[in-house]
Amino acid sequence: AQSVSQHNHHVILSEAASLELGCNYSYGGTVNLFWYVQYPGQHLQLLLKYFSGDPLVKGIKGFEAEFIKSKFSFNLRKPSVQWSDTAEYFCAVYSSASKIIFGSGTRLSIRP
Amino acid sequence: EPEVTQTPSHQVTQMGQEVILRCVPISNHLYFYWYRQILGQKVEFLVSFYNNEISEKSEIFDDQFSVERPDGSNFTLKIRSTKLEDSAMYFCASSVQGRYTEAFFGQGTRLTVV
Repeated sequence: AQSVSQHNHHVILSEAASLELGCNYSYGGTVNLFWYVQYPGQHLQLLLKYFSGDPLVKGIKGFEAEFIKSKFSFNLRKPSVQWSDTAEYFCAVYSSASKIIFGSGTRLSIRP
Repeated sequence: EPEVTQTPSHQVTQMGQEVILRCVPISNHLYFYWYRQILGQKVEFLVSFYNNEISEKSEIFDDQFSVERPDGSNFTLKIRSTKLEDSAMYFCASSVQGRYTEAFFGQGTRLTVV
């Protein structure tokens, strides 16, 4: 079964700084990977997804992620963060046909 | 844009009482899920449901929990006898298929057991 881990628990950045949040998954065959965002008090929203094809995936709000199979990684990036990016970010993977599991999340705080 | 809706947004219940959390998945979706998030912790999978039966469930989803699709639109999670540790945000989600499609999440129901 797949598993997913996020090593950054809390990241604090200033506005306009570049962002990279780490996500590693365990190998288990076909990989379907996601990044979800949870703004304070809100539900989970999909930022981007990777199923196959181009390993560089572009999502909403200027986010992108790169699937690197050799490193079992799917890191989230944004070249210039804004205060409104303050949120919790979750990496997720299908661990089986009908089960998405989430990493422990990374809290991103942006200093205005 | 279609969305998953959940009711109520907040429920307070006494320990030992039964609660039913309700969800209306997106209409053409075939897979339905319940997740929970205890305050400050990770999002945990509870159960997935497909073709009117449980597809997968976690170890959290014990005999106190049940799910049902009572009609063509609603998807419910029942907790038979609530415990203090059931206090959490419960998210419903749905997807067109399972693997290879993203899950769309509802706004959640905050369950507080007192």
